[in-house]
Amino acid sequence: DAGVIQSPRHEVTEMGQEVTLRCKPISGHDYLFWYRQTMMRGLELLIYFNNNVPIDDSGMPEDRFSAKMPNASFSTLKIQPSEPRDSAVYFCASSPQQPYRDHHTGELFFGEGSRLTVL
Amino acid sequence: RKEVEQDPGPFNVPEGATVAFNCTYSNSASQSFFWYRQDCRKEPKLLMSVYSSGNEDGRFTAQLNRASQYISLLIRDSKLSDSATYLCVVNLNAGNNRKLIWGLGTSLAVNP
Repeated sequence: DAGVIQSPRHEVTEMGQEVTLRCKPISGHDYLFWYRQTMMRGLELLIYFNNNVPIDDSGMPEDRFSAKMPNASFSTLKIQPSEPRDSAVYFCASSPQQPYRDHHTGELFFGEGSRLTVL
Repeated sequence: RKEVEQDPGPFNVPEGATVAFNCTYSNSASQSFFWYRQDCRKEPKLLMSVYSSGNEDGRFTAQLNRASQYISLLIRDSKLSDSATYLCVVNLNAGNNRKLIWGLGTSLAVNP
């Protein structure tokens, strides 16, 4: 079975440019998460969706970041305009369960990530 | 104090050694706990959940100490393929405060 698919795997862009990252979750998973990982801050949740509806976007850094999930099989994370401090690995993950309920198995299925470098 | 803290390492051990990592958490309302493994330049993958009574999966043993607010991961007879970063994850489920909190990870290098 295909796992979570992300594109692009690598992106190098210049400050001020628009960046769009894409994600296809595992079929049947109702929860989709966007994370950002840096050496200094580790994994940070940006936003998550349940059944295509954004539930918690409190981790989105600022208005330059936006995320959409137009259908159950596709989501985008957009940064406009990009800045050097946005350089990080962006992971998309999906889960068949609500992750915060008691005794959740804890398993999030991550894509391979999109490594973004903003010059 | 950070919500979840791990010793970043690196831990350098020879093949066959036993190695243990700890992870401390600050919020006593934390409900469940997990260890993830992340290989270099790869995505995190669930290694094991941590149960109150402790649990074992082959060479890996996870334990929880709620009184002292830490979890541990023990790896016996370490293999070269165990080299990775081990991420501690805490599921905080307290009223309106619900989130998965990730540690920065502990780096393990198993040497031949």
